[in-house]
Amino acid sequence: QSVLTQPPSVSGAPGQRVTISCTGSSSNIGAGYDVHWYQQLPGTAPKLLIYGNSNRPSGVPDRFSGSKSGTSASLAITGLQAEDEADYYCQSYDSSLSGFLFGGGTKLTVL
Amino acid sequence: EVQLVESGGGLVQPGGSLRLSCAASGFTFSSYSMNWVRQAPGKGLEWVSYISSSSSTIYYADSVKGRFTISRDNAKNSLYLQMNSLRDEDTAVYYCARDRVDIVATIDWFDPWGQGTLVTVSS
Repeated sequence: QSVLTQPPSVSGAPGQRVTISCTGSSSNIGAGYDVHWYQQLPGTAPKLLIYGNSNRPSGVPDRFSGSKSGTSASLAITGLQAEDEADYYCQSYDSSLSGFLFGGGTKLTVL
Repeated sequence: EVQLVESGGGLVQPGGSLRLSCAASGFTFSSYSMNWVRQAPGKGLEWVSYISSSSSTIYYADSVKGRFTISRDNAKNSLYLQMNSLRDEDTAVYYCARDRVDIVATIDWFDPWGQGTLVTVSS
């Protein structure tokens, strides 16, 4: 059971918008630590998707956006495409654990 | 092109040891902190260890503290993970990842990642 809680799965039809939540606590996201997001396509290594809550690295489409509020963060994907089908992970830092931590991951299915 | 290539994985018995390597290229390795992150089969990501650019600062996850040792050789552009007293639950793909930090964020992020090397602990 992860300290950062993500829904195990989400789904949407092509063209639709989906959001993935990442819920933490006062020792991680709520303490002011930022959230980063990674995309892991099947059989590949994770790839940085969003850093610093809402910043996109070059090459990441603007269909992907991130936000943070209180003890939670969210990843939104608009205009869903088949190629977006992947696992998505949030990452932050926990002062109680004194280490980096990941959410449990969310599997996105494009219907 | 920035590239990280892990090696050294394999099958090892419980209680055994293994040393992983990560060869870096395409960037000034000595200027960056590095991390190891692992992923058990069918499971999520777990941060394992961090080492600063000069090796002066090292952190471990509680699950590996006292058993794993991270190190680096900046002259060889290489990162290492010495794993001792291995357990079944250490079975995972181990990724090395470059550490990134910037004024825009309060904590580090990982970019890029290597392709990973599989460690299987089994008798």
